[in-house]
Amino acid sequence: AQSVTQPDIHITVSEGASLELRCNYSYGATPYLFWYVQSPGQGLQLLLKYFSGDTLVQGIKGFEAEFKRSQSSFNLRKPSVHWSDAAEYFCAVGAYNQGGKLIFGQGTELSVKP
Amino acid sequence: DAGVIQSPRHEVTEMGQEVTLRCKPISGHDYLFWYRQTMMRGLELLIYFNNNVPIDDSGMPEDRFSAKMPNASFSTLKIQPSEPRDSAVYFCASSLGDRIYNEQFFGPGTRLTVL
Repeated sequence: AQSVTQPDIHITVSEGASLELRCNYSYGATPYLFWYVQSPGQGLQLLLKYFSGDTLVQGIKGFEAEFKRSQSSFNLRKPSVHWSDAAEYFCAVGAYNQGGKLIFGQGTELSVKP
Repeated sequence: DAGVIQSPRHEVTEMGQEVTLRCKPISGHDYLFWYRQTMMRGLELLIYFNNNVPIDDSGMPEDRFSAKMPNASFSTLKIQPSEPRDSAVYFCASSLGDRIYNEQFFGPGTRLTVL
């Protein structure tokens, strides 16, 4: 069965520091991978997605993620965090033969210190 | 585009009452998803529709929950009777096309509190 693990429930970084949010997935074939962001009181917004090709994908708001098949990981990174990046981040995996069904991780809450 | 619209944004009800949550997907989108978000279980897919037809309802927790999509621009999620453990944020999302990589657009959610 597909599953997604986000090991860090809560991370705090200083503004201007770099960020890496971890995501590990379990899936038997090539996964379709996503990162979503949820600001307080808002719905989820897609940051980026990976299906095939270049394992380093660029997203909105200066985020990028790298797919590493050997580690079953899809970590999200940003070189310099802004206070407005404080939010909850969700990693998700989908299967090509299950329509639009996504399995989400538990989420990582990001706090940004001034 | 107005995006996915959900109503109400907040609902407070008493145990045993019927609750109806509403969703208007983005015009032209043919997939609609209902999710539930709680601290304990995270974000769970309850059910999803394609062209108004339910495709997978395996995430619906029990018979007290039902969802309908009478037309392409409207869906409801009903809980009858409601229980305190149903308290959660319920999200509706829609997407265009039958490919997994099509982006799901989420509504702002309905925060349900059952007393």
